[in-house]
Amino acid sequence: DVKVTQSSRYLVKRTGEKVFLECVQDMDHENMFWYRQDPGLGLRLIYFSYDVKMKEKGDIPEGYSVSREKKERFSLILESASTNQTSMYLCASMVAGDYEQYFGPGTRLTVT
Amino acid sequence: EDQVTQSPEALRLQEGESSSLNCSYTVSGLRGLFWYRQDPGKGPEFLFTLYSAGEEKEKERLKATLTKKESFLHITAPKPEDSATYLCAVRRSGGSNYKLTFGKGTLLTVNP
Repeated sequence: DVKVTQSSRYLVKRTGEKVFLECVQDMDHENMFWYRQDPGLGLRLIYFSYDVKMKEKGDIPEGYSVSREKKERFSLILESASTNQTSMYLCASMVAGDYEQYFGPGTRLTVT
Repeated sequence: EDQVTQSPEALRLQEGESSSLNCSYTVSGLRGLFWYRQDPGKGPEFLFTLYSAGEEKEKERLKATLTKKESFLHITAPKPEDSATYLCAVRRSGGSNYKLTFGKGTLLTVNP
């Protein structure tokens, strides 16, 4: 079974803090994704990585950056957290090709 | 722009009462339609992938079907443990074909 883990289930941060969310997958997948999920808006793609050190912007990259130094690990960085970044953050991974994405358990981030 | 519309937004069934969830989509060249189940506070769990009109997939009490404009998730004799939000997503051919566009989901509640 594919296993995608995220570093925290719940996180509370203050406005202006730098926040790191980490995701690890154990299936040697080439592709990894970061989404946020908000009520009424559904899942929206923030960033995507198709290889180590490679990344592409998704639909809502503003205010976020990512890092992928190792194949199994994909980090989402909030440079200066703001209250409108309070959300559920979901990481996913996928083998190259037309296949399904597998999701982690999510991190519920609250920025106060 | 790709669009995915799920209906109804919420559905309440009695245990054993079969029904269907709808996913209507608009995409330039479908390269896969995906169904996920999401329990509260957790990441989406992959259920099915459908690639072409006429295709059907089954898993326990769930059956997914696909036409050129929509997909149905049929639930036969549901049980309370089938209660969850069901998400539909599409992938288009060409361009950034890794990307999934998600619908907002149908919240299914099955009462005992």
